[in-house]
Amino acid sequence: DIQMTQSPSSLSASVGDRVTITCQASQDISKLLNWYQHKPGRAPNLLIYDASKLETGVPSRFSGTGSGTDFTFTINGLQPEDFATYYCQQFDSLPRTFGPGTTVDIK
Amino acid sequence: EAQTVESGGGLVQPGGSLKLSCAASGFIFSSFWMSWVRQAPGKGLEWVASIKQDGSERYYVDSVKGRFIISRDNARHSQYLQMTGLSVDDTAVYYCARGVNNFRYWGQGTLVTVSS
Repeated sequence: DIQMTQSPSSLSASVGDRVTITCQASQDISKLLNWYQHKPGRAPNLLIYDASKLETGVPSRFSGTGSGTDFTFTINGLQPEDFATYYCQQFDSLPRTFGPGTTVDIK
Repeated sequence: EAQTVESGGGLVQPGGSLKLSCAASGFIFSSFWMSWVRQAPGKGLEWVASIKQDGSERYYVDSVKGRFIISRDNARHSQYLQMTGLSVDDTAVYYCARGVNNFRYWGQGTLVTVSS
């Protein structure tokens, strides 16, 4: 199974900040990686697919880069509605696996 | 608008069974893989199972193999998760999601609690 790690596990930030989350796969997954936002009691929301493609309707302050084993997710100009937990997920092979999540809360 | 709605969760004793349902709308159900993803209390997201458009391929996470069965009824735009031999470790919110690579649409989830 491909193991996904994320860093940091949590962070505190202020509105307007730039936030960066990293995700590492245990083996080369090319660009077969997605990023999701998840708020308590809500359905998870796909933000970035194929490592860097912005999902339709998602604000452009969200972005993703990377390939192989190392990936980065960035929020440029954090907004109040962005406080949530963010997960990376690989789809190179089965079982599909998610990172452990990064919780972004208010400083 | 595409959406999925889960149902069937509840409280069940260890060793018991439960069948979850997912009703889909707003997209051509028979054209997409469908999946179940769960989140245990205080934990992250975990992929559980996926089923191909015609049901000919089904895949499971190792921890549920032999206990859970994913199925679908394209005429009813629905998928299901039959869960047997439930343990406390299966306690989670279960989400129905469209896709097997990118989980583009998710329901609100249904809570399964396994407890005596």
